[in-house]
Amino acid sequence: DQQVKQNSPSLSVQEGRISILNCDYTNSMFDYFLWYKKYPAEGPTFLISISSIKDKNEDGRFTVFLNKSAKHLSLHIVPSQPGDSAVYFCAASENQAGTALIFGKGTTLSVSS
Amino acid sequence: NAGVMQNPRHLVRRRGQEARLRCSPMKGHSHVYWYRQLPEEGLKFMVYLQKENIIDESGMPKERFSAEFPKEGPSILRIQQVVRGDSAAYFCASSKGQGGSNSPLHFGNGTRLTVT
Repeated sequence: DQQVKQNSPSLSVQEGRISILNCDYTNSMFDYFLWYKKYPAEGPTFLISISSIKDKNEDGRFTVFLNKSAKHLSLHIVPSQPGDSAVYFCAASENQAGTALIFGKGTTLSVSS
Repeated sequence: NAGVMQNPRHLVRRRGQEARLRCSPMKGHSHVYWYRQLPEEGLKFMVYLQKENIIDESGMPKERFSAEFPKEGPSILRIQQVVRGDSAAYFCASSKGQGGSNSPLHFGNGTRLTVT
């Protein structure tokens, strides 16, 4: 039973365009959401997070949108750069402490120049 | 770079042997988490520890797996009598506080365990 789903295994985008990565969840108790980026042979790197009391959080080129009624969140990267090519994981937790994070399976983003 | 340090990076064990994975958290971090990533899967939570205490082990298999975070030294994830299904990448993460928006988890580069 997957509580966090990333239904697109891969996404290809041209440099300069917008990348939109999507994530759906089933557990209505989740109230804290994060995005991590992972390069091969490295650990995940924290990108951006959002709590359930917000519907948008922005950090530079990265924006996360949360739609609680649809149990859906998305990560927007604008403009996309070749260095953004990586696997992106969506994660969620039931408590603001974010301890036992539940991860999706990831989406591989490829940004071509 | 005083990030989360995991060693070894690669570990090969024969079935039935023991595997010990080590994790030194970032400087100033007293909370440690272990996650496992199977091929083609996301990371799955295993255990959360603070110094000398296991806080949440809800993701740990009931047998053969144990974790500790002693007062001095790194956190250790121990797998006894390894089986082929234990082959995976094991990631350690640390945080200053109890995770959350003010204290996100920082991950190490993982230990890739291969059981032959």
